[in-house]
Amino acid sequence: GAGVSQSPRYKVAKRGQDVALRCDPISGHVSLFWYQQALGQGPEFLTYFQNEAQLDKSGLPSDRFFAERPEGSVSTLKIQRTQQEDSAVYLCASSVQGAHSGELFFGEGSRLTVL
Amino acid sequence: GENVEQHPSTLSVQEGDSAVIKCTYSDSASNYFPWYKQELGKRPQLIIDIRSNVGEKKDQRIAVTLNKTAKHFSLHITETQPEDSAVYFCAAGGSQGNLIFGKGTKLSVKP
Repeated sequence: GAGVSQSPRYKVAKRGQDVALRCDPISGHVSLFWYQQALGQGPEFLTYFQNEAQLDKSGLPSDRFFAERPEGSVSTLKIQRTQQEDSAVYLCASSVQGAHSGELFFGEGSRLTVL
Repeated sequence: GENVEQHPSTLSVQEGDSAVIKCTYSDSASNYFPWYKQELGKRPQLIIDIRSNVGEKKDQRIAVTLNKTAKHFSLHITETQPEDSAVYFCAAGGSQGNLIFGKGTKLSVKP
């Protein structure tokens, strides 16, 4: 596709529900990143893939958060037993190589609201 | 891991004035320092970046400087225009290959 695509754009979940957020990176981009952006804050790093390998998951806030990229393309961020503090915009970004290689192209984000 | 501090959190300038945003980073192994602009409700977009082998880079009204010894870098916008109003984020390329962002600076340019 022309850019990074994320779905759903908006998700409302009841506390305790599980959610899954999808990211379609730019075709051929090796690296894929997930960030969490709370209102008025900067993107907080969650995890990073190079192809299908999850090279860094140090930013995942708890074991309720899980990300995968099984075929090195589409990625899914799963949040189990959602809590109110999980409410945020979840941004996915991809780049040709790693972050050091140049521009990250961001998707429009998935806005999660946990009631 | 890498930690990026950004100042100020808000900045208001008159149209035509200059704006300066400063960032510090903690990981001396970081060697890539981009700046992103995020307009309200939109995705962050790269406006300029600098690598550690360069001390300064300029692109029209935007310039970035890097001091590796002090581990700080700055964004300079000259002749500001109302369309420059947005939130600006600095970032540092971590030694693990990820990218860590600052908390952002909300720039308001008053006509």
